[in-house]
Amino acid sequence: AQKVTQAQTEISVVEKEDVTLDCVYETRDTTYYLFWYKQPPSGELVFLIRRNSFDEQNEISGRYSWNFQKSTSSFNFTITASQVVDSAVYFCAPSIGNEKLTFGTGTRLTIIP
Amino acid sequence: DTGVSQDPRHKITKRGQNVTFRCDPISEHNRLYWYRQTLGQGPEFLTYFQNEAQLEKSRLLSDRFSAERPKGSFSTLEIQRTEQGDSAMYLCASSPLTLMNTEAFFGQGTRLTVV
Repeated sequence: AQKVTQAQTEISVVEKEDVTLDCVYETRDTTYYLFWYKQPPSGELVFLIRRNSFDEQNEISGRYSWNFQKSTSSFNFTITASQVVDSAVYFCAPSIGNEKLTFGTGTRLTIIP
Repeated sequence: DTGVSQDPRHKITKRGQNVTFRCDPISEHNRLYWYRQTLGQGPEFLTYFQNEAQLEKSRLLSDRFSAERPKGSFSTLEIQRTEQGDSAMYLCASSPLTLMNTEAFFGQGTRLTVV
C-alpha cells in the first residue's frame, strides 16, 4: 500500500514570490511513479509531471521545478515567480505499475495579487 | 474537444433514489478509472477498467455501486439507494495502455448531492 503526506494544508504567498510544496510518500515497491496534479477552481485535475523512481534528476519546466529525493521519499514542487493563475489545489500522487493513483490530501495554494 | 467527458456535471437526488453517471474517455485509451472526491480531500480510487474488463475495485465501492464499460468504450457508474454520504465529486480518468506508466487524463467530474 502507498501513502502520501502533504503536510501543508494551505499556503498563501504574494505574487512573484517563490513557493515550495512538500510531498512525502511511503511505498514498499522499488519501482513506482510519482505524479503531481493541479486542481484549479473549475475542478478538473490537470497533469503537471510524472517521475520514474529510477530517475532522480531534478526537472525544470518554465517556472515549475521538481526535486526528487529517493533517500528521503520526497518529491517536492517549486513554483518560481508565482502568478495569480497558480492559485489551485495541488496533489502529489504515487502510482504502481499502470494502475491507480494514490492521492494526498492536497495543498491549497493562494497567490495574493 | 477530445478530452475526457463526463455527464451530467451536476446531479441532485433524493436519498434512496438511483443515479447513473457516464464517462466518455479519450478515444483509444484502454484504461478507464473512477475516483471519488469529497470536500477538502484528495480523490480516492473506486475502480478501474482495462478495455471492458473491470480489473480492480476499491473497498469503498459497496454493493450499492456498480460500474460497467461495455465494449471497452464509455463507462457508467451507478449508485443504488443513494445515501447522504454518497455526496461527492465523481471523477473519471483515462490513459493509454503502455509499458511505462503514463499520466491519466481527468474529466471535469460529476458533482452528486444527495438530499
